[in-house]
Amino acid sequence: DIQMTQSPSSLSASVGDRVTITCRASQNISSYLHWYQQKPGKAPKLLIYAASNLQSGVPSRFSGSGSGTDFTLTISSLQPEDFATYYCQQSYSIPRMFGQGTKVEIK
Amino acid sequence: QVQLQQSGPGLVKPSQTLSLTCAISGDSVSSNSAAWNWIRQSPSRGLEWLGRTYYRSKWYNDYAVSVKSRTTINPDTSKNQFSLQLNSVTPEDTAVYYCVREDNRRYSYWGQGTLVTVSS
Repeated sequence: DIQMTQSPSSLSASVGDRVTITCRASQNISSYLHWYQQKPGKAPKLLIYAASNLQSGVPSRFSGSGSGTDFTLTISSLQPEDFATYYCQQSYSIPRMFGQGTKVEIK
Repeated sequence: QVQLQQSGPGLVKPSQTLSLTCAISGDSVSSNSAAWNWIRQSPSRGLEWLGRTYYRSKWYNDYAVSVKSRTTINPDTSKNQFSLQLNSVTPEDTAVYYCVREDNRRYSYWGQGTLVTVSS
């Protein structure tokens, strides 16, 4: 199985801050990497697919980069509605695996 | 717009079978471009993919090794839905269960989630 490791596991930030979350795969997954946002009591929501493509309807302050084993999700200017938990997920192979999540909290 | 509506009991006794159904609107379970997945989430295990069913001229299934011996995911073309059966449950199977549509290898549509508690 391909293991996905996110860092940090949590962070505190203020509105307007630039936030970066990293995800590392245990082996090369090309660009088969997606990012999801989850708010309490809700299902995860797709933000970024194939490492760097913005899902329809997602604000442009979200961006993704990387390929191979190292990936990054960036929020350019954190907004109040962005406080949530973020997950990466690989779709290179079965079983699909998720990172453990990064909780973004209000500073 | 694709919508997934989950149904099933929220409480299951240990050793019994967990059964959930996911009704699909806006797409077909027999789609040649989608796959229909079950994913669960718990504090101890995080987001855990359980398995999927999909149609590519015939039906296919994939399952996570951790649950393969206890799990069946079946399509129901007459009702345009798919189901999850997890046998011999223990308290460790307590989780929120999601049905999810996969297209182009990404999870673009999720059901509302069902909290299933395994307890006597």
